[in-house]
Amino acid sequence: DAKTTQPPSMDCAEGRAANLPCNHSTISGNEYVYWYRQIHSQGPQYIIHGLKNNETNEMASLIITEDRKSSTLILPHATLRDTAVYYCIVRVGGSNYKLTFGKGTLLTVNP
Amino acid sequence: GAVVSQHPSRVICKSGTSVKIECRSLDFQATTMFWYRQFPKQSLMLMATSNEGSKATYEQGVEKDKFLINHASLTLSTLTVTSAHPEDSSFYICSAPPEDRDRGQPQHFGDGTRLSIL
Repeated sequence: DAKTTQPPSMDCAEGRAANLPCNHSTISGNEYVYWYRQIHSQGPQYIIHGLKNNETNEMASLIITEDRKSSTLILPHATLRDTAVYYCIVRVGGSNYKLTFGKGTLLTVNP
Repeated sequence: GAVVSQHPSRVICKSGTSVKIECRSLDFQATTMFWYRQFPKQSLMLMATSNEGSKATYEQGVEKDKFLINHASLTLSTLTVTSAHPEDSSFYICSAPPEDRDRGQPQHFGDGTRLSIL
């Protein structure tokens, strides 16, 4: 699975958009980009995933660059409850389904 | 959507005790489940892959005799920490991939079990 690079921490004001970057320059053509978050003392929560196209759901938007070497997770209106560690993971879909977690980005939403 | 239930959420017990943690897929069948461990301020580390009807696959450095995994049905996997010691205190998390893996569908996680060995 391709390695990802994320900033260790970010701050965001409540109500503003939070833009979390992820570099995955060695991503393969059949690897998806997944985003999970982990609130303290809870299991990881799935947010969104994509292959090539930008994606949007009720939680967030995922913007993938045309060359697929980086992506950005956007939380459009961050709340205090969005404070968590956000993990960007790239991997293929299919039989080998292990997820490898890096250190992620600690997003702190400030009032 | 797919839901994974993990029980118990917290365990506190004496050194030398064996502790069993259950992971259930509530609305889908899971032939494979994954067990992770997370120490404070660290990321999740995969311990083993649980396979229904066959032996689990352990990651390098994980003692199979220490962490017994049983996947007896398509909805239940158990992790037993045998003769637990204080260094086994950690946050244990299970996950299960969805039925339709080839489309890149996301994996879902349990809420974790906080194990504290006194």
